Amino acid sequence: EVQLVESGGGLVQPGGSLRLSCVASGFSFSNYWMDWVRQAPGKGPEWVANIKEDGSDKYYADSVKGRFTISRDNAKNSLFLQMDTLRAEDTAVYYCARDPGYGGPFFDYWGQGSLVTVSS
Amino acid sequence: DIVMTQSPDSLAVSLGERATVNCKSSQSVLHSSNNKNYLAWYQQKPGQPPKLLIYWASTRESGVPDRFSGSGSGTDFTLTISSLQAEDVAVYYCQQYYHTLGPPTFGQGTKVEIK
Repeated sequence: EVQLVESGGGLVQPGGSLRLSCVASGFSFSNYWMDWVRQAPGKGPEWVANIKEDGSDKYYADSVKGRFTISRDNAKNSLFLQMDTLRAEDTAVYYCARDPGYGGPFFDYWGQGSLVTVSS
Repeated sequence: DIVMTQSPDSLAVSLGERATVNCKSSQSVLHSSNNKNYLAWYQQKPGQPPKLLIYWASTRESGVPDRFSGSGSGTDFTLTISSLQAEDVAVYYCQQYYHTLGPPTFGQGTKVEIK
Protein backbone atom coordinates (compact mmCIF):
# COMPACT_ATOMS: atom_id res chain seq x y z
CA GLU A 1 0.00 0.00 0.00
CA VAL A 2 1.34 3.40 -0.99
CA GLN A 3 1.76 5.75 1.97
CA LEU A 4 3.06 9.29 2.22
CA VAL A 5 3.47 10.75 5.70
CA GLU A 6 4.35 14.40 6.19
CA SER A 7 5.77 16.03 9.30
CA GLY A 8 7.40 19.27 10.39
CA GLY A 9 4.55 21.73 10.19
CA GLY A 10 3.62 24.18 12.92
CA LEU A 11 3.31 27.82 13.90
CA VAL A 12 6.09 30.15 12.78
CA GLN A 13 6.50 33.92 12.77
CA PRO A 14 6.73 35.88 9.53
CA GLY A 15 10.28 35.76 8.23
CA GLY A 16 10.93 32.45 9.94
CA SER A 17 11.80 29.02 8.57
CA LEU A 18 10.43 25.49 8.65
CA ARG A 19 11.48 22.19 7.11
CA LEU A 20 8.83 19.73 6.03
CA SER A 21 9.54 16.04 5.58
CA CYS A 22 7.63 13.30 3.81
CA VAL A 23 8.41 9.62 4.22
CA ALA A 24 7.20 7.34 1.46
CA SER A 25 6.47 3.63 1.56
CA GLY A 26 4.79 0.97 -0.54
CA PHE A 27 6.41 1.91 -3.85
CA SER A 28 9.81 2.40 -5.40
CA PHE A 29 10.35 6.02 -4.34
CA SER A 30 13.42 6.59 -6.49
CA ASN A 31 11.43 5.91 -9.67
CA TYR A 32 9.02 8.82 -9.32
CA TRP A 33 8.93 12.59 -9.59
CA MET A 34 7.63 13.94 -6.30
CA ASP A 35 5.78 17.16 -5.60
CA TRP A 36 4.64 19.48 -2.85
CA VAL A 37 1.14 20.92 -3.19
CA ARG A 38 -0.40 23.30 -0.67
CA GLN A 39 -3.94 24.32 0.14
CA ALA A 40 -4.81 27.48 2.01
CA PRO A 41 -7.93 27.37 4.21
CA GLY A 42 -11.07 27.32 2.05
CA LYS A 43 -9.10 27.49 -1.21
CA GLY A 44 -8.19 25.15 -4.03
CA PRO A 45 -4.85 23.36 -4.11
CA GLU A 46 -1.76 25.21 -5.34
CA TRP A 47 1.27 23.41 -6.77
CA VAL A 48 4.47 24.44 -4.97
CA ALA A 49 7.45 22.48 -6.31
CA ASN A 50 8.60 19.20 -7.77
CA ILE A 51 11.78 17.19 -8.09
CA LYS A 52 12.97 14.59 -10.57
CA GLU A 53 13.54 10.96 -9.62
CA ASP A 54 17.29 11.43 -9.03
CA GLY A 55 17.02 14.99 -7.70
CA SER A 56 18.76 16.50 -10.70
CA ASP A 57 15.85 18.72 -11.80
CA LYS A 58 13.70 20.91 -9.59
CA TYR A 59 10.91 23.35 -10.41
CA TYR A 60 9.11 25.92 -8.28
CA ALA A 61 6.00 28.05 -8.36
CA ASP A 62 6.81 31.73 -8.82
CA SER A 63 5.21 32.43 -5.42
CA VAL A 64 7.92 30.45 -3.60
CA LYS A 65 10.92 30.67 -5.93
CA GLY A 66 14.02 31.82 -4.07
CA ARG A 67 12.47 31.11 -0.66
CA PHE A 68 11.65 27.38 -0.75
CA THR A 69 13.97 24.48 -1.59
CA ILE A 70 12.83 20.97 -2.48
CA SER A 71 15.14 18.01 -1.98
CA ARG A 72 15.02 14.25 -1.57
CA ASP A 73 16.97 11.36 -0.05
CA ASN A 74 16.22 8.24 -2.06
CA ALA A 75 18.15 6.04 0.38
CA LYS A 76 15.68 7.07 3.09
CA ASN A 77 12.59 7.29 0.84
CA SER A 78 12.20 10.87 1.96
CA LEU A 79 11.15 14.17 0.41
CA PHE A 80 11.83 17.55 1.98
CA LEU A 81 10.73 21.16 1.65
CA GLN A 82 12.90 23.83 3.26
CA MET A 83 10.81 26.96 3.67
CA ASP A 84 12.58 30.23 4.45
CA THR A 85 11.44 33.84 4.72
CA LEU A 86 7.91 32.66 5.39
CA ARG A 87 4.98 35.00 4.82
CA ALA A 88 1.41 35.03 6.10
CA GLU A 89 0.23 33.97 2.63
CA ASP A 90 2.25 30.74 2.96
CA THR A 91 -0.23 29.55 5.61
CA ALA A 92 -1.69 26.31 4.28
CA VAL A 93 -1.82 22.55 4.56
CA TYR A 94 1.20 21.21 2.70
CA TYR A 95 0.80 17.89 0.93
CA CYS A 96 3.45 15.57 -0.38
CA ALA A 97 2.18 14.01 -3.63
CA ARG A 98 3.36 11.47 -6.16
CA ASP A 99 3.40 12.09 -9.90
CA PRO A 100 2.62 8.76 -11.59
CA GLY A 101 4.85 9.69 -14.52
CA TYR A 102 2.34 9.47 -17.34
CA GLY A 103 3.26 12.91 -18.65
CA GLY A 104 1.94 15.10 -15.85
CA PRO A 105 2.43 16.38 -13.29
CA PHE A 106 -0.81 15.20 -11.84
CA PHE A 107 -1.02 13.37 -8.56
CA ASP A 108 -2.17 9.83 -7.87
CA TYR A 109 -1.25 9.62 -4.17
CA TRP A 110 -1.27 12.35 -1.53
CA GLY A 111 -0.21 12.42 2.10
CA GLN A 112 -2.58 13.56 4.83
CA GLY A 113 -0.87 16.94 4.92
CA SER A 114 1.07 19.09 7.38
CA LEU A 115 -0.36 22.42 8.55
CA VAL A 116 1.91 25.44 8.37
CA THR A 117 0.68 28.61 10.06
CA VAL A 118 2.63 31.84 9.60
CA SER A 119 1.54 34.39 12.14
CA SER A 120 2.93 36.71 14.78
CA ASP B 1 -0.15 30.58 -16.13
CA ILE B 2 -3.26 28.76 -17.29
CA VAL B 3 -6.34 29.80 -15.28
CA MET B 4 -8.91 27.10 -14.54
CA THR B 5 -12.47 28.25 -13.88
CA GLN B 6 -15.12 25.88 -12.57
CA SER B 7 -18.88 26.26 -12.61
CA PRO B 8 -21.02 26.26 -10.65
CA ASP B 9 -19.34 27.01 -7.31
CA SER B 10 -21.83 24.65 -5.68
CA LEU B 11 -24.75 22.47 -6.62
CA ALA B 12 -27.34 20.37 -4.84
CA VAL B 13 -28.57 17.19 -6.50
CA SER B 14 -31.06 14.57 -5.37
CA LEU B 15 -29.79 11.08 -4.60
CA GLY B 16 -29.71 9.00 -7.76
CA GLU B 17 -29.78 12.03 -10.04
CA ARG B 18 -27.02 13.31 -12.34
CA ALA B 19 -24.49 15.89 -11.19
CA THR B 20 -22.45 17.88 -13.71
CA VAL B 21 -19.40 20.00 -12.94
CA ASN B 22 -17.83 22.22 -15.59
CA CYS B 23 -14.24 23.37 -15.98
CA LYS B 24 -12.86 25.89 -18.44
CA SER B 25 -9.17 26.57 -19.10
CA SER B 26 -7.84 29.94 -20.27
CA GLN B 27 -5.75 28.15 -22.92
CA SER B 28 -6.18 24.86 -24.70
CA VAL B 29 -4.70 21.90 -22.83
CA LEU B 30 -4.97 19.61 -25.86
CA HIS B 31 -1.48 18.59 -26.96
CA SER B 32 -1.35 18.24 -30.74
CA SER B 33 1.55 15.76 -30.71
CA ASN B 34 -0.40 13.04 -28.91
CA ASN B 35 -4.00 14.32 -29.08
CA LYS B 36 -4.28 14.14 -25.30
CA ASN B 37 -5.99 16.62 -23.03
CA TYR B 38 -3.81 17.37 -20.00
CA LEU B 39 -6.70 17.58 -17.55
CA ALA B 40 -7.38 15.76 -14.27
CA TRP B 41 -10.27 15.69 -11.80
CA TYR B 42 -10.06 15.21 -8.04
CA GLN B 43 -12.53 14.63 -5.22
CA GLN B 44 -11.88 16.08 -1.76
CA LYS B 45 -13.88 15.24 1.32
CA PRO B 46 -13.59 17.30 4.54
CA GLY B 47 -10.34 16.72 6.40
CA GLN B 48 -8.91 14.55 3.63
CA PRO B 49 -6.43 15.15 0.81
CA PRO B 50 -7.68 15.29 -2.76
CA LYS B 51 -8.25 11.93 -4.44
CA LEU B 52 -7.51 11.44 -8.12
CA LEU B 53 -10.61 10.44 -10.09
CA ILE B 54 -9.80 11.04 -13.75
CA TYR B 55 -6.77 11.96 -15.87
CA TRP B 56 -6.26 12.65 -19.58
CA ALA B 57 -9.72 14.24 -19.26
CA SER B 58 -11.56 10.93 -19.49
CA THR B 59 -9.42 8.07 -18.13
CA ARG B 60 -10.80 6.81 -14.86
CA GLU B 61 -8.26 6.06 -12.15
CA SER B 62 -8.18 2.45 -10.94
CA GLY B 63 -10.86 1.77 -8.33
CA VAL B 64 -12.99 4.80 -9.15
CA PRO B 65 -16.67 3.86 -9.62
CA ASP B 66 -17.92 4.01 -13.20
CA ARG B 67 -20.62 6.50 -12.27
CA PHE B 68 -17.82 9.08 -12.53
CA SER B 69 -16.93 10.12 -16.07
CA GLY B 70 -14.99 12.92 -17.69
CA SER B 71 -15.45 14.51 -21.08
CA GLY B 72 -14.44 17.52 -23.13
CA SER B 73 -11.49 18.74 -25.13
CA GLY B 74 -9.39 21.85 -25.67
CA THR B 75 -10.66 24.38 -23.15
CA ASP B 76 -13.99 22.98 -21.97
CA PHE B 77 -14.39 19.94 -19.76
CA THR B 78 -17.09 18.21 -17.72
CA LEU B 79 -17.14 15.82 -14.78
CA THR B 80 -20.38 13.84 -14.59
CA ILE B 81 -21.63 11.76 -11.70
CA SER B 82 -24.35 9.70 -13.36
CA SER B 83 -26.25 8.72 -10.22
CA LEU B 84 -25.30 10.68 -7.12
CA GLN B 85 -24.63 8.66 -3.98
CA ALA B 86 -24.38 9.97 -0.43
CA GLU B 87 -20.66 9.24 -0.36
CA ASP B 88 -20.10 11.54 -3.36
CA VAL B 89 -20.72 14.66 -1.25
CA ALA B 90 -17.41 16.49 -1.63
CA VAL B 91 -15.60 19.32 -3.35
CA TYR B 92 -14.42 18.53 -6.87
CA TYR B 93 -11.40 20.16 -8.51
CA CYS B 94 -10.10 20.16 -12.05
CA GLN B 95 -6.37 20.53 -12.71
CA GLN B 96 -4.43 21.13 -15.90
CA TYR B 97 -0.95 19.70 -16.30
CA TYR B 98 0.09 21.02 -19.72
CA HIS B 99 3.62 21.53 -18.45
CA THR B 100 5.06 23.37 -21.44
CA LEU B 101 2.66 26.23 -20.73
CA GLY B 102 3.76 26.76 -17.13
CA PRO B 103 2.99 25.25 -13.75
CA PRO B 104 0.09 22.89 -13.06
CA THR B 105 -2.96 24.81 -11.88
CA PHE B 106 -6.24 23.91 -10.21
CA GLY B 107 -9.76 25.25 -10.43
CA GLN B 108 -11.39 26.92 -7.43
CA GLY B 109 -13.56 23.89 -6.70
CA THR B 110 -17.23 22.90 -6.94
CA LYS B 111 -19.06 21.74 -3.84
CA VAL B 112 -21.56 18.94 -4.50
CA GLU B 113 -24.28 18.39 -1.92
CA ILE B 114 -27.47 16.36 -1.55
CA LYS B 115 -30.74 18.16 -2.25
